Amino acid sequence: DSGVTQTPKHLITATGQRVTLRCSPRSGDLSVYWYQQSLDQGLQFLIQYYNGEERAKGNILERFSAQQFPDLHSELNLSSLELGDSALYFCASSAPGQVRGELFFGEGSRLTVL
Amino acid sequence: AQKITQTQPGMFVQEKEAVTLDCTYDTSDQSYGLFWYKQPSSGEMIFLIYQGSYDEQNATEGRYSLNFQKARKSANLVISASQLGDSAMYFCAMREPLFMDSNYQLIWGAGTKLIIKP
Repeated sequence: DSGVTQTPKHLITATGQRVTLRCSPRSGDLSVYWYQQSLDQGLQFLIQYYNGEERAKGNILERFSAQQFPDLHSELNLSSLELGDSALYFCASSAPGQVRGELFFGEGSRLTVL
Repeated sequence: AQKITQTQPGMFVQEKEAVTLDCTYDTSDQSYGLFWYKQPSSGEMIFLIYQGSYDEQNATEGRYSLNFQKARKSANLVISASQLGDSAMYFCAMREPLFMDSNYQLIWGAGTKLIIKP
């Protein structure tokens, strides 16, 4: 158990809909990262938050948005969903001030858009 | 541009044999970190091992070791005495710069699917 909690684990929805994925980082971790993993592909970085502020942005679509709340949990909002948005969405967290800085991943939220 | 290359899309290995998973990277920075993660069929990403660019010795974590050849920019993962439970996707990833406190964004390779045969 990495200590990172993601909900829901599975989600099936229709095109055009909107969903929210939730992530609680490990206790004490200030950074939250969101990644997308499409079928048989590596991870694509979407966005990073550090202590409530957006720190880095990757290949995140305009239809997607995220935020990190004062209690450090984060939400990833996906709207106007398309078939191609079907993927495994990971949240990861890391501790501040660590030279190694490995990411600890949640179990992922598997989104299926029909 | 940063890049991680894993040239082996898939590998079959006999149980109890050692296996080497290849990873080469491209960076112009002197300060970086290299990671290997395992993704079993259940989907979670599990951290295995880390190598810093300034580390003089190859990293080891139990049955995992990292064959770090800095001049060749390679960071191969070696799994000794493979087990059926090692069947999974394995990803190599890099972070640079190493000492930026708040940004631990990783660049990922495409992964290698390892299947251990009984």
